[in-house]
Amino acid sequence: EAGVTQFPSHSVIEKGQTVTLRCDPISGHDNLYWYRRVMGKEIKFLLHFVKESKQDESGMPNNRFLAERTGGTYSTLKVQPAELEDSGVYFCASSRRLRGRQETQYFGPGTRLLVL
Amino acid sequence: GENVEQHPSTLSVQEGDSAVIKCTYSDSASNYFPWYKQELGKRPQLIIDIRSNVGEKKDQRIAVTLNKTAKHFSLHITETQPEDSAVYFCAASIEGKLIFGQGTELSVKP
Repeated sequence: EAGVTQFPSHSVIEKGQTVTLRCDPISGHDNLYWYRRVMGKEIKFLLHFVKESKQDESGMPNNRFLAERTGGTYSTLKVQPAELEDSGVYFCASSRRLRGRQETQYFGPGTRLLVL
Repeated sequence: GENVEQHPSTLSVQEGDSAVIKCTYSDSASNYFPWYKQELGKRPQLIIDIRSNVGEKKDQRIAVTLNKTAKHFSLHITETQPEDSAVYFCAASIEGKLIFGQGTELSVKP
């Protein structure tokens, strides 16, 4: 089966511009997560979708970040306007949904975002 | 909220030696503890995980132990090989989201 894919792999933008990241989860995975790793620090949770619904968006840093998952398939994460501190690697992960049991999260390769 | 501390931040061992990485978590409701390995420029990959109803789990050269009372868990790699060199992340999970430790950069010298 194909793994989690992300696009683009790299993005370099100027402060104030808009960038949209895309994640395609493993087919059939209802759970989709966004994480971010900034400046070599820990990987931090941003938000969690179950199908098309936002289950938990407690990690979203501010209202410049907007995530969507229309139709419960792929997801987009838009940053508008981008700031210098948004630079980092954005990871997407997906997992199956089984009640009462945490399933393995499979990560995508990440999008490396650099805001100049 | 949940917080995960991971130590050491860097670890250098000779090929064939053992490596141990330790993590502590704060929320006693955490019930799932995966370990991910991330090689340079690649995606994090699950290497082993443990659930809160188990104290130890082994998979070939890799083992994980969990002490729920003390709220800490550890990764043990035996007979290390140069290809084990990578950044290792521990994580704790409640209801889906993973809270990661800061990562350990393991270097195995031939």
